[in-house]
Amino acid sequence: EAQVTQNPRYLITVTGKKLTVTCSQNMNHEYMSWYRQDPGLGLRQIYYSMNVEVTDKGDVPEGYKVSRKEKRNFPLILESPSPNQTSLYFCASSFSPFGAYGYTFGSGTRLTVV
Amino acid sequence: GIQVEQSPPDLILQEGANSTLRCNFSDSVNNLQWFHQNPWGQLINLFYIPSGTKQNGRLSATTVATERYSLLYISSSQTTDSGVYFCAVNSGGSNYKLTFGKGTLLTVNP
Repeated sequence: EAQVTQNPRYLITVTGKKLTVTCSQNMNHEYMSWYRQDPGLGLRQIYYSMNVEVTDKGDVPEGYKVSRKEKRNFPLILESPSPNQTSLYFCASSFSPFGAYGYTFGSGTRLTVV
Repeated sequence: GIQVEQSPPDLILQEGANSTLRCNFSDSVNNLQWFHQNPWGQLINLFYIPSGTKQNGRLSATTVATERYSLLYISSSQTTDSGVYFCAVNSGGSNYKLTFGKGTLLTVNP
């Protein structure tokens, strides 16, 4: 089944403790991206990647890092999480950055930072 | 950047009723998708529909790209249809993301 897999689905952590949210796709998509969803602010793009070793900032990149060492994986790294990074996170992938044939989203990761 | 407006913001239906959700966008688009966010937060892709009409069971969608709007039709609604419906677009150029509307919150009562 074609899908984007995120892990974990739920995570509660403490301020300052480094964490990684994993994202993997099995569709051979070139493009991958991370979004966060917050009440009243909607979904906002954090980072995106055009291909292996090519990443760039989205609208809200502060406090996050990403890497794209393999085509299928695009992990989101929070080096020192803070409570304002409590959010619902989504990973997405597509054949192209413009969404040719559509973007496929993962099931989401609900992160709470205390 | 491109603006996406959805209406209505909230909709309450009785099970079995039909509904139409609207999405207006301010510029030409390469991509338009409709999503359903269920109560568990998952974003379920309903349609990829930058133009034309598609149907999938009780759901159908139409995008009139020249007039910059899209409609999502839900027929014979069920309680499991409850949730937030998002329209999202990509306008191309140097825009490498989906821009989401604020959504329509649909509640279907038994």
